[in-house]
Amino acid sequence: SQKIEQNSEALNIQEGKTATLTCNYTNYSPAYLQWYRQDPGRGPVFLLLIRENEKEKRKERLKVTFDTTLKQSLFHITASQPADSATYLCALERAGGSYIPTFGRGTSLIVHP
Amino acid sequence: DVKVTQSSRYLVKRTGEKVFLECVQDMDHENMFWYRQDPGLGLRLIYFSYDVKMKEKGDIPEGYSVSREKKERFSLILESASTNQTSMYLCASSWLDTQYFGPGTRLTVL
Repeated sequence: SQKIEQNSEALNIQEGKTATLTCNYTNYSPAYLQWYRQDPGRGPVFLLLIRENEKEKRKERLKVTFDTTLKQSLFHITASQPADSATYLCALERAGGSYIPTFGRGTSLIVHP
Repeated sequence: DVKVTQSSRYLVKRTGEKVFLECVQDMDHENMFWYRQDPGLGLRLIYFSYDVKMKEKGDIPEGYSVSREKKERFSLILESASTNQTSMYLCASSWLDTQYFGPGTRLTVL
């Protein structure tokens, strides 16, 4: 089965800086990778999806890269704000193209004013 | 906007009780899911459904069952609640690859 690694330690950064979160995976290469945001006590909210044939995707202050050789995705938030503080989950397609993702455990981001 | 609602935000039950968690989505999605989320373990898939009256086991189905009698509604049933089922339960529906989650139900089993 797919193993997904996200840094379990919280990432602390200053407001205005770029936050970079990492998602590494082992075994097979998924056809897509997603990032979700989760606030405490709430359900995850979909942010971005990137497919295996895409190197990079952007949405406003968010940027995601997908390196199938390194088996890694990087999630960037530029000009970070305290309101960006949350847990960010990486999710990968399961083997067999089932449209059911497997989720990483998430990394907590704390943006200090 | 897609809306997924769950019947309760917080629920406290006793060991051995039968527990029903309800989920409703308003976007006519065919796929619906139940997860539980625990600290350090992340999101784990319990059951999912591709269509009315259809269900498939996820990664941790033991101790749970589900029901999908209508397209918009997916219920999770704990036949006999146990303390190790204390958790945050999240329902989701999906369109293709994207999952839309409800607000979650924090269940405590005493």
